[in-house]
Amino acid sequence: KQEVTQIPAALSVPEGENLVLNCSFTDSAIYNLQWFRQDPGKGLTSLLLIQSSQREQTSGRLNASLDKSSGRSTLYIAASQPGDSATYLCAVRRYSGGGADGLTFGKGTHLIIQP
Amino acid sequence: DADVTQTPRNRITKTGKRIMLECSQTKGHDRMYWYRQDPGLGLQLIYYSFDVKDINKGEISDGYSVSRQAQAKFSLSLESAIPNQTALYFCATSDRGGASYNEQFFGPGTRLTVL
Repeated sequence: KQEVTQIPAALSVPEGENLVLNCSFTDSAIYNLQWFRQDPGKGLTSLLLIQSSQREQTSGRLNASLDKSSGRSTLYIAASQPGDSATYLCAVRRYSGGGADGLTFGKGTHLIIQP
Repeated sequence: DADVTQTPRNRITKTGKRIMLECSQTKGHDRMYWYRQDPGLGLQLIYYSFDVKDINKGEISDGYSVSRQAQAKFSLSLESAIPNQTALYFCATSDRGGASYNEQFFGPGTRLTVL
């Protein structure tokens, strides 16, 4: 059974710092990995999608990497801002050769950027 | 954006009542999903549908049923609600995209409380 772990569970840093969020998964047979942002009581906003054949994706100040063989992904946030405060979720999409589908989520990293 | 909508957004019901949560999408995607989110547990997959004629159970389908009325509509039913079904429920969609499937897009969520 696929398990996704996110470290740290919570992080509080001053504004302007660069930071790294970590995600690990136990089964490397994935189709893709997706990073989401969730604000309190809100839905999920997709940040980055990395296909299984890719090593990284970038969007603005965000960069996500994927090392499928070791079961790891990182989300790098450059020059953090208070508006980046949210919970960040990592999710892997299972291999659907047998018809299975859906995302397996980590429990998230709760990020606070101090002004 | 309102590409994936969920109704109702909030619902309070009593134990034993039947309740239906509805999801509609304008993205033209063929795949739809229902997840629930519990504090400390992350998101878990309840059901997913590849198309109108294809419904599949996820990790935690017991106590739930679904109906795919059309490509754009996917409903989740609780036949006899119980308090431990109190959670935040999300609908999501995705489309096929070559050898690796594309990203999932989430609705705003329905907060369900069962008393």
